[in-house]
Amino acid sequence: KAGVTQTPRYLIKTRGQQVTLSCSPISGHRSVSWYQQTPGQGLQFLFEYFSETQRNKGNFPGRFSGRQFSNSRSEMNVSTLELGDSALYLCASSLAEQVTYGYTFGSGTRLTVV
Amino acid sequence: KQEVTQIPAALSVPEGENLVLNCSFTDSAIYNLQWFRQDPGKGLTSLLLIQSSQREQTSGRLNASLDKSSGRSTLYIAASQPGDSATYLCAVRGLDSGYALNFGKGTSLLVTP
Repeated sequence: KAGVTQTPRYLIKTRGQQVTLSCSPISGHRSVSWYQQTPGQGLQFLFEYFSETQRNKGNFPGRFSGRQFSNSRSEMNVSTLELGDSALYLCASSLAEQVTYGYTFGSGTRLTVV
Repeated sequence: KQEVTQIPAALSVPEGENLVLNCSFTDSAIYNLQWFRQDPGKGLTSLLLIQSSQREQTSGRLNASLDKSSGRSTLYIAASQPGDSATYLCAVRGLDSGYALNFGKGTSLLVTP
Protein backbone atom coordinates (compact mmCIF):
# COMPACT_ATOMS: atom_id res chain seq x y z
CA LYS A 1 0.00 0.00 0.00
CA ALA A 2 1.53 3.30 -1.07
CA GLY A 3 2.34 5.79 1.67
CA VAL A 4 1.96 9.54 1.69
CA THR A 5 3.69 10.96 -1.37
CA GLN A 6 5.11 14.45 -1.45
CA THR A 7 6.53 16.17 -4.50
CA PRO A 8 8.98 17.56 -5.19
CA ARG A 9 11.51 16.30 -2.65
CA TYR A 10 13.75 19.33 -2.97
CA LEU A 11 13.20 22.89 -4.13
CA ILE A 12 15.40 25.94 -4.37
CA LYS A 13 13.61 29.24 -4.84
CA THR A 14 14.57 32.88 -4.81
CA ARG A 15 13.23 35.34 -2.28
CA GLY A 16 10.02 36.93 -3.52
CA GLN A 17 8.99 33.98 -5.68
CA GLN A 18 6.09 31.69 -4.94
CA VAL A 19 6.06 27.90 -4.61
CA THR A 20 3.51 25.08 -4.70
CA LEU A 21 4.03 21.79 -2.91
CA SER A 22 1.97 18.68 -3.52
CA CYS A 23 0.81 15.85 -1.28
CA SER A 24 -1.00 12.64 -2.19
CA PRO A 25 -2.44 10.91 0.89
CA ILE A 26 -2.75 7.21 1.48
CA SER A 27 -5.60 5.79 -0.56
CA GLY A 28 -8.83 6.15 1.41
CA HIS A 29 -7.49 8.84 3.72
CA ARG A 30 -9.56 12.02 3.51
CA SER A 31 -7.75 14.17 6.06
CA VAL A 32 -4.54 15.93 5.03
CA SER A 33 -2.44 18.14 7.31
CA TRP A 34 0.63 20.24 6.63
CA TYR A 35 3.52 21.00 9.00
CA GLN A 36 6.64 23.14 8.79
CA GLN A 37 9.80 21.88 10.44
CA THR A 38 12.75 24.16 11.19
CA PRO A 39 15.73 23.64 13.52
CA GLY A 40 14.69 26.54 15.71
CA GLN A 41 10.92 26.10 15.95
CA GLY A 42 10.58 22.37 15.48
CA LEU A 43 7.36 21.08 13.92
CA GLN A 44 4.59 23.61 13.59
CA PHE A 45 1.06 23.02 12.30
CA LEU A 46 0.07 24.90 9.16
CA PHE A 47 -3.42 23.68 8.26
CA GLU A 48 -5.66 20.65 7.93
CA TYR A 49 -8.15 19.72 5.22
CA PHE A 50 -10.97 17.22 5.17
CA SER A 51 -13.21 16.67 2.15
CA GLU A 52 -11.90 19.82 0.48
CA THR A 53 -12.65 21.99 3.53
CA GLN A 54 -10.04 23.63 5.72
CA ARG A 55 -10.98 22.69 9.27
CA ASN A 56 -8.06 24.09 11.20
CA LYS A 57 -5.32 26.63 10.59
CA GLY A 58 -2.13 27.31 12.48
CA ASN A 59 -0.55 30.63 13.29
CA PHE A 60 1.10 31.43 9.97
CA PRO A 61 0.77 34.52 7.77
CA GLY A 62 -1.65 34.64 4.89
CA ARG A 63 1.22 33.98 2.47
CA PHE A 64 0.74 30.34 3.36
CA SER A 65 -2.34 28.80 1.81
CA GLY A 66 -3.57 25.39 0.81
CA ARG A 67 -6.32 23.48 -0.82
CA GLN A 68 -7.58 19.96 -1.18
CA PHE A 69 -9.05 18.38 -4.27
CA SER A 70 -11.93 15.94 -4.62
CA ASN A 71 -9.48 13.03 -4.80
CA SER A 72 -8.04 14.13 -1.40
CA ARG A 73 -4.75 15.27 -2.91
CA SER A 74 -3.61 18.52 -1.40
CA GLU A 75 -1.39 21.42 -2.35
CA MET A 76 0.11 24.16 -0.28
CA ASN A 77 1.28 27.45 -1.69
CA VAL A 78 3.67 29.98 -0.27
CA SER A 79 3.74 33.37 -1.94
CA THR A 80 6.39 36.09 -1.69
CA LEU A 81 8.96 33.74 -0.27
CA GLU A 82 11.21 34.90 2.56
CA LEU A 83 14.52 33.45 3.69
CA GLY A 84 12.82 32.27 6.88
CA ASP A 85 10.50 30.04 4.88
CA SER A 86 13.38 27.65 4.28
CA ALA A 87 12.27 24.47 5.99
CA LEU A 88 11.17 20.87 5.62
CA TYR A 89 7.47 20.83 4.80
CA LEU A 90 5.70 17.67 5.88
CA CYS A 91 2.32 16.39 4.89
CA ALA A 92 0.34 13.90 6.95
CA SER A 93 -2.80 11.96 6.19
CA SER A 94 -5.34 10.28 8.42
CA LEU A 95 -8.02 7.71 7.77
CA ALA A 96 -11.07 9.63 8.88
CA GLU A 97 -12.29 12.68 10.66
CA GLN A 98 -12.44 10.82 13.95
CA VAL A 99 -9.85 12.08 16.36
CA THR A 100 -8.87 8.62 17.50
CA TYR A 101 -6.96 7.93 14.30
CA GLY A 102 -3.26 8.62 14.10
CA TYR A 103 -1.34 10.31 11.33
CA THR A 104 0.98 8.97 8.64
CA PHE A 105 3.61 11.36 7.37
CA GLY A 106 5.29 11.69 4.02
CA SER A 107 9.02 12.17 3.44
CA GLY A 108 8.67 15.89 3.10
CA THR A 109 9.70 18.63 0.70
CA ARG A 110 12.92 20.45 1.54
CA LEU A 111 12.50 24.10 0.51
CA THR A 112 15.52 26.37 0.39
CA VAL A 113 14.97 30.08 -0.21
CA VAL A 114 18.02 32.01 -1.40
CA LYS B 1 -1.94 26.55 24.95
CA GLN B 2 -0.60 23.01 24.97
CA GLU B 3 3.16 22.78 25.45
CA VAL B 4 5.05 19.55 24.89
CA THR B 5 8.52 19.01 26.36
CA GLN B 6 10.92 16.17 25.71
CA ILE B 7 13.81 15.36 27.99
CA PRO B 8 16.63 14.75 27.38
CA ALA B 9 17.29 16.65 24.16
CA ALA B 10 20.08 14.24 23.29
CA LEU B 11 21.15 10.85 24.52
CA SER B 12 24.06 8.55 23.72
CA VAL B 13 24.07 4.93 24.89
CA PRO B 14 26.05 1.80 24.12
CA GLU B 15 24.37 -0.92 22.14
CA GLY B 16 22.28 -3.32 24.20
CA GLU B 17 21.13 -0.85 26.82
CA ASN B 18 17.49 -0.36 27.73
CA LEU B 19 16.49 3.28 27.66
CA VAL B 20 13.61 5.60 28.43
CA LEU B 21 12.63 8.75 26.60
CA ASN B 22 10.35 11.22 28.32
CA CYS B 23 7.57 13.46 27.08
CA SER B 24 5.50 15.83 29.18
CA PHE B 25 2.53 17.99 28.23
CA THR B 26 0.80 20.82 30.05
CA ASP B 27 -2.87 20.20 29.25
CA SER B 28 -4.24 16.78 30.11
CA ALA B 29 -7.33 17.23 27.93
CA ILE B 30 -6.06 15.14 25.04
CA TYR B 31 -7.47 12.69 22.53
CA ASN B 32 -4.25 10.74 22.08
CA LEU B 33 -0.47 10.86 21.96
CA GLN B 34 1.71 9.56 19.14
CA TRP B 35 5.41 8.71 19.14
CA PHE B 36 7.37 9.17 15.93
CA ARG B 37 10.87 8.48 14.73
CA GLN B 38 12.71 10.76 12.31
CA ASP B 39 15.93 9.88 10.53
CA PRO B 40 18.13 12.78 9.37
CA GLY B 41 16.56 14.68 6.50
CA LYS B 42 13.63 12.31 6.32
CA GLY B 43 9.95 12.31 7.18
CA LEU B 44 8.32 10.96 10.32
CA THR B 45 7.66 7.30 10.93
CA SER B 46 4.86 6.49 13.37
CA LEU B 47 5.91 4.17 16.16
CA LEU B 48 3.03 4.02 18.62
CA LEU B 49 -0.34 5.69 19.11
CA ILE B 50 -1.89 5.76 22.57
CA GLN B 51 -5.49 6.86 23.06
CA SER B 52 -6.34 8.95 26.12
CA SER B 53 -8.19 5.99 27.65
CA GLN B 54 -5.18 3.68 27.35
CA ARG B 55 -2.23 3.26 29.68
CA GLU B 56 0.28 1.73 27.30
CA GLN B 57 1.00 0.35 23.85
CA THR B 58 3.66 -2.10 22.75
CA SER B 59 5.30 -2.84 19.43
CA GLY B 60 8.27 -5.19 19.36
CA ARG B 61 11.05 -3.71 21.49
CA LEU B 62 9.09 -0.49 22.02
CA ASN B 63 6.69 0.25 24.83
CA ALA B 64 4.96 3.56 25.35
CA SER B 65 3.05 4.51 28.46
CA LEU B 66 0.67 7.36 29.12
CA ASP B 67 -0.27 9.00 32.40
CA LYS B 68 -2.77 11.58 31.28
CA SER B 69 -3.47 13.01 34.72
CA SER B 70 0.16 13.89 35.31
CA GLY B 71 0.76 14.91 31.69
CA ARG B 72 3.50 12.38 31.00
CA SER B 73 4.40 9.72 28.51
CA THR B 74 7.48 7.54 28.27
CA LEU B 75 8.91 5.55 25.38
CA TYR B 76 10.86 2.53 26.52
CA ILE B 77 13.30 0.95 24.05
CA ALA B 78 14.61 -2.46 25.02
CA ALA B 79 17.98 -3.83 23.96
CA SER B 80 18.92 -0.79 21.89
CA GLN B 81 20.66 -1.24 18.51
CA PRO B 82 22.69 1.15 16.33
CA GLY B 83 19.76 1.17 13.90
CA ASP B 84 17.66 2.82 16.62
CA SER B 85 19.75 5.98 16.23
CA ALA B 86 17.34 8.73 15.21
CA THR B 87 15.34 11.61 16.63
CA TYR B 88 12.24 10.56 18.58
CA LEU B 89 9.31 12.94 18.68
CA CYS B 90 6.14 12.84 20.72
CA ALA B 91 3.01 14.59 19.54
CA VAL B 92 -0.16 15.33 21.44
CA ARG B 93 -3.60 15.76 19.92
CA GLY B 94 -5.46 17.97 22.34
CA LEU B 95 -9.12 18.80 22.68
CA ASP B 96 -8.30 22.47 22.19
CA SER B 97 -6.28 21.97 19.02
CA GLY B 98 -8.77 19.76 17.23
CA TYR B 99 -7.01 18.32 14.25
CA ALA B 100 -3.53 19.66 14.92
CA LEU B 101 -0.70 17.79 16.58
CA ASN B 102 1.48 19.60 19.11
CA PHE B 103 5.03 18.30 18.89
CA GLY B 104 7.90 18.28 21.32
CA LYS B 105 11.35 19.27 20.07
CA GLY B 106 12.46 15.65 20.14
CA THR B 107 15.19 13.53 21.69
CA SER B 108 18.18 12.79 19.48
CA LEU B 109 19.33 9.25 20.23
CA LEU B 110 22.71 7.79 19.31
CA VAL B 111 23.33 4.11 19.95
CA THR B 112 27.02 3.26 19.64
CA PRO B 113 28.28 -0.22 18.68
